[in-house]
Amino acid sequence: SQKIEQNSEALNIQEGKTATLTCNYTNYSPAYLQWYRQDPGRGPVFLLLIRENEKEKRKERLKVTFDTTLKQSLFHITASQPADSATYLCALDPSGNTGKLIFGQGTTLQVKP
Amino acid sequence: DGGITQSPKYLFRKEGQNVTLSCEQNLNHDAMYWYRQDPGQGLRLIYYSQIVNDFQKGDIAEGYSVSREKKESFPLTVTSAQKNPTAFYLCASSKSGRATDTQYFGPGTRLTVL
Repeated sequence: SQKIEQNSEALNIQEGKTATLTCNYTNYSPAYLQWYRQDPGRGPVFLLLIRENEKEKRKERLKVTFDTTLKQSLFHITASQPADSATYLCALDPSGNTGKLIFGQGTTLQVKP
Repeated sequence: DGGITQSPKYLFRKEGQNVTLSCEQNLNHDAMYWYRQDPGQGLRLIYYSQIVNDFQKGDIAEGYSVSREKKESFPLTVTSAQKNPTAFYLCASSKSGRATDTQYFGPGTRLTVL
C-alpha cells in the first residue's frame, strides 16, 4: 500500500542544536516533496519544496534533502530556537499534476532553552 | 490583506444535523481544497476543486458535500451521513493546482458533535 510516514514520537532538543526530521514514503514516485510547519490550533504554513533532481534545498536555517533511492526526505533546522517548536509535516503529490497532496502525520519538535 | 478565511472557528453540531463550513479566499487562486485533521493523524483530503463549477472527491468524501459556484468560495457541508464528524477542518487554496504550487491554509474550523 502507499504510505508516507514521519516519526510520530516528539523530538526534544536543546536550543542551538540541529534538529533532523525524517519523512519516508513507499510505493510513490513523487517528482516533488513539500514541507509545512503547523502550530497548535492553526493551519499549516509552507516552508520548502524540493524537486526529485535536487538533492538538497536551503532556506535560511532550514535544509531539506530528497533521496529518491531511499524514498526519504530529511528536514534539518540548524541553530534551533524555542520559536521553532511546532509540528512539521511533509507532503507529496502522487499524481504529479493535480496538487492533491498526501500528508504525513507530522513530527512535533520541542526546542528547550 | 490577501488570504484565506474560514468561519466559524468553532462549531457544535447535534447528531442528525447538517452543518456548513465557510471558506473564502481573495488570492485569486483557481484551486481550493478541504482537509480533515484528527489527533495524531496527517491531513486527509475530503474534496478539491481546480476550477469554478468543478470539483473532485478526495480520499474521504463520504458524508461530505461541496460546491464551487464562485472562484473565491468553496463551502463544505458535513451531512448527517458522516458518522464521526468531530475533527479539525482545514481549507486551502493554490494558484493553479499543480504539484509545485504552494498551498495556503486557512485558520481552520473545529467541529464538535454533541
